[in-house]
Amino acid sequence: GNSVTQMEGPVTLSEEAFLTINCTYTATGYPSLFWYVQYPGEGLQLLLKATKADDKGSNKGFEATYRKETTSFHLEKGSVQVSDSAVYFCALSEGSNYKLTFGKGTLLTVNP
Amino acid sequence: EAGVAQSPRYKIIEKRQSVAFWCNPISGHATLYWYQQILGQGPKLLIQFQNNGVVDDSQLPKDRFSAERLKGVDSTLKIQPAKLEDSAVYLCASSLSRANEKLFFGSGTQLSVL
Repeated sequence: GNSVTQMEGPVTLSEEAFLTINCTYTATGYPSLFWYVQYPGEGLQLLLKATKADDKGSNKGFEATYRKETTSFHLEKGSVQVSDSAVYFCALSEGSNYKLTFGKGTLLTVNP
Repeated sequence: EAGVAQSPRYKIIEKRQSVAFWCNPISGHATLYWYQQILGQGPKLLIQFQNNGVVDDSQLPKDRFSAERLKGVDSTLKIQPAKLEDSAVYLCASSLSRANEKLFFGSGTQLSVL
């Protein structure tokens, strides 16, 4: 079946540091890939997505590139802010139901 | 635009009791999802509705969990009887359609079973 593996957290960075959160996936076909973010006390919200190989999703300074050859979708940001502190979930969807399969999540804390 | 509303925010019950959660999706969203998020894990889909019909309930423990979406708008998820391992956050999400991959999530109901 489908699965998503994210790097273990928690991740703690200083403001303006470079961020990478690794995500790899297993799927039978050609899934769409997503990053969702959950800020403290809020629901998950879509951060970015990519629907085919070599697509780059981007939003709020975050980027991720769909790499079919390495089955990866790593999240990056060049300079993190305190307000980026949240839990980040990598996910994929595949099939006619577009069912989302999530990774376990990575807690990011950014210190001033 | 109003978001996905869920209630209650927190619930504490004893094992073998029953509990119900309510969800009101974003107006006009045809697809509604219930996810279970156990501490330290990613959300797992329990059931997906398209309007008032069930699309996928393959991971719903049907001996104790039930869900309905009468009239294709709001939805209720019930657990009866609850077990200790049901302690989790129950998330409701909605999307415009089954093919629309952008889900909008509520803040969830945190259930503790003692």
